[in-house]
Amino acid sequence: GESVGLHLPTLSVQEGDNSIINCAYSNSASDYFIWYKQESGKGPQFIIDIRSNMDKRQGQRVTVLLNKTVKHLSLQIAATQPGDSAVYFCAENSPRSGANNLFFGTGTRLTVIP
Amino acid sequence: DTEVTQTPKHLVMGMTNKKSLKCEQHMGHRAMYWYKQKAKKPPELMFVYSYEKLSINESVPSRFSPECPNSSLLNLHLHALQPEDSALYLCASSQVSSGRNEQFFGPGTRLTVL
Repeated sequence: GESVGLHLPTLSVQEGDNSIINCAYSNSASDYFIWYKQESGKGPQFIIDIRSNMDKRQGQRVTVLLNKTVKHLSLQIAATQPGDSAVYFCAENSPRSGANNLFFGTGTRLTVIP
Repeated sequence: DTEVTQTPKHLVMGMTNKKSLKCEQHMGHRAMYWYKQKAKKPPELMFVYSYEKLSINESVPSRFSPECPNSSLLNLHLHALQPEDSALYLCASSQVSSGRNEQFFGPGTRLTVL
């Protein structure tokens, strides 16, 4: 079956430090991955995505790395700020039936210490 | 307009009640989704609509009945729910494609079943 999991359920970092959140997936057919941020009481918010034909993609303060050999995904946040405190989910796209499913990983709670 | 709206924000209902959750988007997306999210868990896919037709039902009990009256609206009809159905219900929308499939999420409806 398909599974997307995270190595660490919680992560605490000092403000200004870099954060790295990891994710493992098991479906080698997955071709698209997304990182979402979910703040308390809100729906998931898109951060960055990457297709399987890439191994790195950069956004504003965020970088996603994809290692298909070991089925590993990571999200790097530079100069972490208090507003980055949230739960982060990786999601894996499994195309099916003309529309696409997203399977979410367990989630990592990031806490930024001022 | 890049927003998915959901109403109501909060809903409390008894096990014999009938209620409906509503979702709306005006991004021209032809895929819409219902997810269920329990506390401290990732979103779990319930239903997928593609071009207003139900394409995926992830073995959801019949007390949950989805409806897609047009390309902008998605409803979830609730009847005879159980207390364990209490959760955050998230709606999302996306383009229908076999490639990039960024899903935009609404803020969710917090449902409590008494």
